[in-house]
Amino acid sequence: GENVEQHPSTLSVQEGDSAVIKCTYSDSASNYFPWYKQELGKGPQLIIDIRSNVGEKKDQRIAVTLNKTAKHFSLHITETQPEDSAVYFCAASQGYSTLTFGKGTMLLVSP
Amino acid sequence: GAVVSQHPSWVICKSGTSVKIECRSLDFQATTMFWYRQFPKQSLMLMATSNEGSKATYEQGVEKDKFLINHASLTLSTLTVTSAHPEDSSFYICSAKGTSGGPYNEQFFGPGTRLTVL
Repeated sequence: GENVEQHPSTLSVQEGDSAVIKCTYSDSASNYFPWYKQELGKGPQLIIDIRSNVGEKKDQRIAVTLNKTAKHFSLHITETQPEDSAVYFCAASQGYSTLTFGKGTMLLVSP
Repeated sequence: GAVVSQHPSWVICKSGTSVKIECRSLDFQATTMFWYRQFPKQSLMLMATSNEGSKATYEQGVEKDKFLINHASLTLSTLTVTSAHPEDSSFYICSAKGTSGGPYNEQFFGPGTRLTVL
């Protein structure tokens, strides 16, 4: 089955800096890679996703890149703000199969 | 769009009682709904997958007689924790998948339900 590794487990940055979270996956057939933001006591919120037919996708301060050859994908957050502080999860999926999640990254943005 | 609600947001019950959690897709039809469990500072653990009108498919190690799932309509799924015990205390989260994602597993998550069993 699919295995998703996520790094780092914690990330502390200063407000205004960039943050990068990286994930690797094992199943070359995976074709859907979402990123979720989870605030304390709340459910995960889909913030951006990428499909295997593209290499990069951007939405304002958030971008995701995908390297299918190396089987890794990354989340990039620019100009971080304190409200970006949360736990971020990456996931991978093939077709209609279930999502396999990484273990999460706790991002702390200090003012 | 793509809003999923859960009710209740938190519940406290006595050991041995049953608790029902509702998951609703508010603005789309959910062909598939998923139930997850999350322990503190851990990732999401899939419990079961349900398709409208069909029996749920449970992940290995999840007791189907203890965690009853019903997906009676395209907008509602329920999870009933039967004879709850303190070890069932956890954060339960549902997600829903519609048809907008095409062949991709695009899921939208509910806000979660905090279950505490005394």
